[in-house]
Amino acid sequence: NAGVTQTPKFQVLKTGQSMTLQCAQDMNHEYMSWYRQDPGMGLRLIHYSVGAGITDQGEVPNGYNVSRSTTEDFPLRLLSAAPSQTSVYFCASSYRSGTGVGRSPLHFGNGTRLTVT
Amino acid sequence: TQLLEQSPQFLSIQEGENLTVYCNSSSVFSSLQWYRQEPGEGPVLLVTVVTGGEVKKLKRLTFQFGDARKDSSLHITAAQPGDTGLYLCAGYTGTASKLTFGTGTRLQVTL
Repeated sequence: NAGVTQTPKFQVLKTGQSMTLQCAQDMNHEYMSWYRQDPGMGLRLIHYSVGAGITDQGEVPNGYNVSRSTTEDFPLRLLSAAPSQTSVYFCASSYRSGTGVGRSPLHFGNGTRLTVT
Repeated sequence: TQLLEQSPQFLSIQEGENLTVYCNSSSVFSSLQWYRQEPGEGPVLLVTVVTGGEVKKLKRLTFQFGDARKDSSLHITAAQPGDTGLYLCAGYTGTASKLTFGTGTRLQVTL
């Protein structure tokens, strides 16, 4: 009954360091996405994937890379961390992409709180 | 550019009061969802509305989708401390794969 699992829960990086935020789901969902949440800004879409091997950019993709080699996993890579990337990052998945996704709820992980100093 | 603006940003009320949260946009949405988020957790879906003018009720929560599908409201009757949390609206526009979230309304209900 795991749902969407994100690791780590907390991370502190120095400017310029790189790291990967992990996201795994066990619901066989086609669609996966990454959001960042900042105070007063709601959730902003970074990257998303409609299936294995397919990724696309969201609203704020700069400084982040993703890949989707399996249905289950969707890691988010920070190439060279900057203080502006200090945020809470959420991974979410839903049943399917396409016209049906509008009625499919997004299932969220519990987030990774990242601080870049 | 934030497509979805929510108001108010913050709301602090006493148990038993009624409240309404608004979600507005200049864009037309094919469907709109409302989520609630508690501290340290991810958002959890409350409801999805898809038809202009649609009204859905979830116990003391009433959700309405505007006739033109550009806005929505969430009304809570007789608020309880358990309603405390961050309420987020989110809508699908154009490309069905991108869900855009609103700015959020933080609600606190005290005894």
